[in-house]
Amino acid sequence: GESVGLHLPTLSVQEGDNSIINCAYSNSASDYFIWYKQESGKGPQFIIDIRSNMDKRQGQRVTVLLNKTVKHLSLQIAATQPGDSAVYFCAENMDTGRRALTFGSGTRLQVQP
Amino acid sequence: DTEVTQTPKHLVMGMTNKKSLKCEQHMGHRAMYWYKQKAKKPPELMFVYSYEKLSINESVPSRFSPECPNSSLLNLHLHALQPEDSALYLCASSQSHQGGTEAFFGQGTRLTVV
Repeated sequence: GESVGLHLPTLSVQEGDNSIINCAYSNSASDYFIWYKQESGKGPQFIIDIRSNMDKRQGQRVTVLLNKTVKHLSLQIAATQPGDSAVYFCAENMDTGRRALTFGSGTRLQVQP
Repeated sequence: DTEVTQTPKHLVMGMTNKKSLKCEQHMGHRAMYWYKQKAKKPPELMFVYSYEKLSINESVPSRFSPECPNSSLLNLHLHALQPEDSALYLCASSQSHQGGTEAFFGQGTRLTVV
């Protein structure tokens, strides 16, 4: 069954502000990382990816930063819009012969108009 | 076509029923996946098919039985489920089962076991 009182970490921002969502990963052998956005009742949607030989990658209004030293990933969203409200998951691909995406715990982004 | 299509969108079944979830993609992807997602939790991997062969089974109970009839289709057969199996079941596909490829997800099947 479900855990009563279980809450996703939530980031609440004002429309137009920049958002930063963080993720810690555990496997130093992971070599590929993706950020997904999941809106209520929908499947995860690809936002941006980064490989372990890079520190930063930019897309449209989004930037992913990878710090391999501390095993930390972040997603920066510029000029956050109400349509950005969703749950954001980081996912890693573990290069240990078990090649399938493993998801982090997720962060809910709430954009206040 | 960059879609992964799942049917049905919603399913309610009794604990003695047998039902199947279906997933289809026409992107030429050779790896397909089933994930299970409980409320407020991340998707959890269940099965991986690579070139139509089962390559990963994450110790999923045998009441869940996957099938890959061809490179475009993936099924999940359900039998004698428990109420705690109620969840969103997500299908995904990627170009290959090698690392470093994006997985595309379907919209999921919301399963309720009564």
